[in-house]
Amino acid sequence: DAKTTQPPSMDCAEGRAANLPCNHSTISGNEYVYWYRQIHSQGPQYIIHGLKNNETNEMASLIITEDRKSSTLILPHATLRDTAVYYCIVPGTGANNLFFGTGTRLTVIP
Amino acid sequence: EAGVVQSPRYKIIEKKQPVAFWCNPISGHNTLYWYLQNLGQGPELLIRYENEEAVDDSQLPKDRFSAERLKGVDSTLKIQPAELGDSAVYLCASSPQGRVQYFGPGTRLTVL
Repeated sequence: DAKTTQPPSMDCAEGRAANLPCNHSTISGNEYVYWYRQIHSQGPQYIIHGLKNNETNEMASLIITEDRKSSTLILPHATLRDTAVYYCIVPGTGANNLFFGTGTRLTVIP
Repeated sequence: EAGVVQSPRYKIIEKKQPVAFWCNPISGHNTLYWYLQNLGQGPELLIRYENEEAVDDSQLPKDRFSAERLKGVDSTLKIQPAELGDSAVYLCASSPQGRVQYFGPGTRLTVL
């Protein structure tokens, strides 16, 4: 599995965009990038995933650089309920196992 | 659609006692996972099932942990005997054919 690197913590003002970076410089081939988040006392929640192209759904947008060595998860209008730990994961081709690491703790400030 | 159901949500036991956790995955999901999450850490995989077959149990401490998924639906994770270091959150997840996993709320185990 490709190793990912994320900042341990970030703050974001409520209503502003939250941009969470992730480095995955050893990503290769057809490995996807997945993002999950975990709100306190809950199980992880799937957010979005992508391969090469930028992706958007009702929760977030995922921007993947052209060389695929890094990506950014964007929450366009952060709310207090977005306070959580965000995990960037590259499972590896053919692998079902997610290696979560320690993620980025995002705090949305009123 | 109901999500992944886990029970109990909380369990407190004394060391050396047995404990069991139950998981009911999302209907139709063939793959089931058990994860362990220590405080301040991300979840770590213990075992993965494809239907009723355990296809990856390399991280399961087999001296005290066991799991089963009879009939390829519900699953039970057991610890016998429990140790102080087993205090953690035990998460169950399921997925259809593919990578997106859907997690239950977890069982928080405290071993005294």
